[in-house]
Amino acid sequence: SYELTQPPSVSVSPGQTASITCSADQLGDKYACWYQQRPGQSPVLVIYQDTERPSGIPERFSGSNSGNTATLTISGTQAMDEADYYCQTWDSSSSVVFGGGTKLTVL
Amino acid sequence: QVHLVESGGGVVQPGRSLRLSCAASEFTFSIFSMHWVRQAPGKGLEWVTFISSDGNKKYYAGSVRGRFTISRDNSKNTLFLQMNGLRPEDTAVYYCAREGLAATGHFDSWGQGTLVTVSS
Repeated sequence: SYELTQPPSVSVSPGQTASITCSADQLGDKYACWYQQRPGQSPVLVIYQDTERPSGIPERFSGSNSGNTATLTISGTQAMDEADYYCQTWDSSSSVVFGGGTKLTVL
Repeated sequence: QVHLVESGGGVVQPGRSLRLSCAASEFTFSIFSMHWVRQAPGKGLEWVTFISSDGNKKYYAGSVRGRFTISRDNSKNTLFLQMNGLRPEDTAVYYCAREGLAATGHFDSWGQGTLVTVSS
């Protein structure tokens, strides 16, 4: 089965840039998207189609996807960005796949 | 603003059944594919099942195939998940999610979730 691998945790200082990776075989050949989930809340889409930002998502969120790795980048990270982040794609058997999630800590 | 409201969760014994509903409003439900995604306590997101806009295509995760059935009633703007043969490992918050129209497989709206607890 197709698996997406994320680091369990990433730490960043306020105002700095946070990068969260999502790795899988030939992931760059698929579309990747990213969700933010704050504690006790439902997930929110922050990046879709590798690089697109839904309306209402701050410009500091950006995405890329090439080779075996998709990356979510948060520039000028704020305390409110502290959350769990999940990458997601579809595999070749018409199944949706989520990464294991990355806990972003802003300290 | 898209509105998705799940209901039907609760505590159920192993082996029993439960039916979840997801009421959709403020968008044209009949043109969107829909999904169920679950999250066990303290764990990550796990995709459960997909249904196409017209209900003709359905896909399931291996962990629920043969036990869960997804369906929809476009006349009532409602998505369903029939869960049979429940197991303790099915304990989770179940979210319904709308798939975006861009055909890139992302979920652009989520409900607030309903908790299913499978325990004797």
